[in-house]
Amino acid sequence: DIQLTQSPSSMSASLGDRVSLTCQSSQGIGNYLSWYQHKPGKPPKPMIYYATNLADGVPSRFSGSRSGSDYSLTISSLESEDTAIYYCLQYDEYPPTFGGGTKLELK
Amino acid sequence: EVQILETGGGLVKPGGSLRLSCATSGFNFNDYFMNWVRQAPGKGLEWVAQIRNKNYNYATYYAESLEGRVTISRDDSKSSVYLQVSSLRAEDTAIYYCTNFDYWGQGVMVTVSS
Repeated sequence: DIQLTQSPSSMSASLGDRVSLTCQSSQGIGNYLSWYQHKPGKPPKPMIYYATNLADGVPSRFSGSRSGSDYSLTISSLESEDTAIYYCLQYDEYPPTFGGGTKLELK
Repeated sequence: EVQILETGGGLVKPGGSLRLSCATSGFNFNDYFMNWVRQAPGKGLEWVAQIRNKNYNYATYYAESLEGRVTISRDDSKSSVYLQVSSLRAEDTAIYYCTNFDYWGQGVMVTVSS
């Protein structure tokens, strides 16, 4: 199975900070990677699909990028509503696999 | 508006079985592969099963950890997908989400306990 390693596992940042979360794939998956925002009591919310494409309704402060097998989700200016756990998902090969998540909190 | 509603969860004894249902509307169900994803308490997201659409002969795929105990099915006429889980164990306790990865239901809680 393809393993996705997310780093850091948790982090805290201040309002207005630029934040970058990383997801590293154990194998090549092309751009077949999505990012999800997950808040307690709610379903995961798609943020980025195909590595770099913003999902519908997602604020433009979010962006996705790829460098080789490393994928990043960047928030250009952190807002309070962005606190959540963020997961990456690869859907290039079966089984689809999620990363372990990054918990993002406010400092 | 897209709606995905999971039902069928609850408290089940170890060794028991249950059938989760997922009713959808607001998107072209027939075009999508449908999945079940779960989250155990305090854990991350885990993909459980997928069923492809008619164009792919409704092929099914399962997480290795559950293979042999789960069956995913769909009814395109009802825009619904189902998950049958048997020989339930405590570690199957989780919120089960129905999703095509673009849209997600609110989830349904399954608790396996005596």
